[in-house]
Amino acid sequence: QVQLVESGGGLVKPGGSLRLSCAASGFTFSDYYMSWIRQAPGKGLEWVSYIGSSNSDTNYADSVKGRFTISRDNAKNSLYLQMNSLRAEDTAVYYCARVSRGNYYFVYWGQGTLVTVSS
Amino acid sequence: DSQMIQSPSSLSTSVGDRVTITCRASQGIRNYLAWYQQKPGKVPKLLIYAASTLQPGVPSRFSGSGSGTDFTLTISSLQPEDAATYYCQKYNSAPYAFGQGTKLEIK
Repeated sequence: QVQLVESGGGLVKPGGSLRLSCAASGFTFSDYYMSWIRQAPGKGLEWVSYIGSSNSDTNYADSVKGRFTISRDNAKNSLYLQMNSLRAEDTAVYYCARVSRGNYYFVYWGQGTLVTVSS
Repeated sequence: DSQMIQSPSSLSTSVGDRVTITCRASQGIRNYLAWYQQKPGKVPKLLIYAASTLQPGVPSRFSGSGSGTDFTLTISSLQPEDAATYYCQKYNSAPYAFGQGTKLEIK
């Protein structure tokens, strides 16, 4: 069965950096686009970024463009999100999700990892 | 960029009631719309994609309709386990925005 497990969240100071990971299993990882979606405490869902099957096709929400970088290692079945210049408003649970074939909706989600940006 | 506006933001209804949640896109998105259900402390669950196609395993009391800019999620006969927050999401082009959510409470 499809499994997505995020890690790397934690407490970081404003201006700091953090790298999130998502370990995928139960499917051929290299065949699928992947995405990061976040949810601030008590708030709604916000799409953050997607990456194509290789590292060449990426896209970002305006709110994170220039600060966050999505990448993947197909040999390790892993997805990453490098987050730099973090702000208080980046505080959220970050979910990795598998993009449905050919359409950017999300059937499979990880359980999420909490990132808290605070001094 | 197209934004997604849901209404109402919250509602409280009774078991057995028919419930309708609407989602409006600021620009046309054809039928590239999905609906999700999120229960407290849980991961979002896909209910409907392509505006009206039910995800396998989702009860048939859920249905979706609409195209272009106006979409509807309907629950034909509300059950206690349907208490949750519901989100629409556009996926015609990036950014793949979500609506702000509709919190559904059971009286």
